[in-house]
Amino acid sequence: QSALTQPASVSGSPGQSITISCTGSSSDVGGYNLVSWYQQHPGKAPKLMIYDVNYRPSGTSNRFSGSKSGNTAALTISGLQAEDEADYYCSSYTTNRTLYVFGTGTKVTVL
Amino acid sequence: QVQLVQSGAEVKRPGASVTVSCKGSGYKFITYYMHWVRQAPGQGPEWMGIINPRGGNTTSAQKFQDRLTMTRDTSTSTVYMELRSLRYEDTAVYYCARDGGAVMDVWGRGTTVTVSS
Repeated sequence: QSALTQPASVSGSPGQSITISCTGSSSDVGGYNLVSWYQQHPGKAPKLMIYDVNYRPSGTSNRFSGSKSGNTAALTISGLQAEDEADYYCSSYTTNRTLYVFGTGTKVTVL
Repeated sequence: QVQLVQSGAEVKRPGASVTVSCKGSGYKFITYYMHWVRQAPGQGPEWMGIINPRGGNTTSAQKFQDRLTMTRDTSTSTVYMELRSLRYEDTAVYYCARDGGAVMDVWGRGTTVTVSS
């Protein structure tokens, strides 16, 4: 099972919106509405930001939203803030040699 | 509040085994499955396996099936992950994460395992 494909880096100015893509296959992203997104600051554990494609856990800002079309999921951060600078990983349920697969990760830089 | 407290860093020789513990608090331990996820330096997370604290049944990623054992002690609300026959490429931060319904909703702080001769 290969990792899901994400862009290595995305950047934006404060207040702008950015979108991170996450491309998999029909065995994972395209086959289940079980895509999650995690934010990870350096030296810290990942933190759940979005689950089941487009649901926010309590405490997650509504500036974060998720979507999916076919085999590609996306995370949009609107009103970009300095604190959003971090690594972001998508994850999907799968049944191909493992139960969960993560993305390659995207470094978000706030200019 | 919900908290997962993991054991401390480990340094192991190639071929040895390591056991990492994860103690849950602030919620009903047996109600939530627990994942184990690792992250090698500079890499993305990698899912290793999951354990049901109520019955003790486990599922592992095919890659780890012959080296990974997950157990639990319900009396202390603790799950354990043992990885055997360690290789240099097993050097990573190992996390436990609570399952909130096909999602890892609460994570431990991680345990650094270094494999070095």
